[in-house]
Amino acid sequence: DTEVTQTPKHLVMGMTNKKSLKCEQHMGHRAMYWYKQKAKKPPELMFVYSYEKLSINESVPSRFSPECPNSSLLNLHLHALQPEDSALYLCASRKAGREWRENEQFFGPGTRLTVL
Amino acid sequence: AQKVTQAQTEISVVEKEDVTLDCVYETRDTTYYLFWYKQPPSGELVFLIRRNSFDEQNEISGRYSWNFQKSTSSFNFTITASQVVDSAVYFCALSEVTNAGKSTFGDGTTLTVKP
Repeated sequence: DTEVTQTPKHLVMGMTNKKSLKCEQHMGHRAMYWYKQKAKKPPELMFVYSYEKLSINESVPSRFSPECPNSSLLNLHLHALQPEDSALYLCASRKAGREWRENEQFFGPGTRLTVL
Repeated sequence: AQKVTQAQTEISVVEKEDVTLDCVYETRDTTYYLFWYKQPPSGELVFLIRRNSFDEQNEISGRYSWNFQKSTSSFNFTITASQVVDSAVYFCALSEVTNAGKSTFGDGTTLTVKP
């Protein structure tokens, strides 16, 4: 299994809703990432988990709450979002070993989020 | 701070033409990784090539080739005999060796290949 899966593919939510995005990989990767991507822009890093511990939080508002239940799963809990949070949310994983040849990030297909 | 510049915002070519996408980067790190990713309209970022800072060997893989020049901090990507399916946004990325492999992406180059 050499892919990163994300569910749901599309999500529409109101500003008072609570929802979660899910990401899963079974490649044995120990670093997992959440990115936000607006149209015609590059991905912006939100969070990094390394060996199931949060290692980077890029000053993301608290209405986004990441969770890494185990080494294969990464969740992003959403609460009280704003319309400007509408974007493509990408998950990625990386082997995180010492061998430089295997340090690229593998991306999932993304969840397209619309906040009404 | 790390920075990646893709000066070409959009490129349009006719099928079978060769096209080169430029990437210039800035970093104070002596060891780092460079990547190219492709993002078709479906949205998924697809990994194409990696290079580390101490390996300036350039490669050709099928229709793709890369030119890494550490002296000019450039990592250019060439598609030979372009095809319509190559139409996508291409991102160049610079990754730290430590700090959980944090990556800095360029703004992307939109490539359109016309039949």
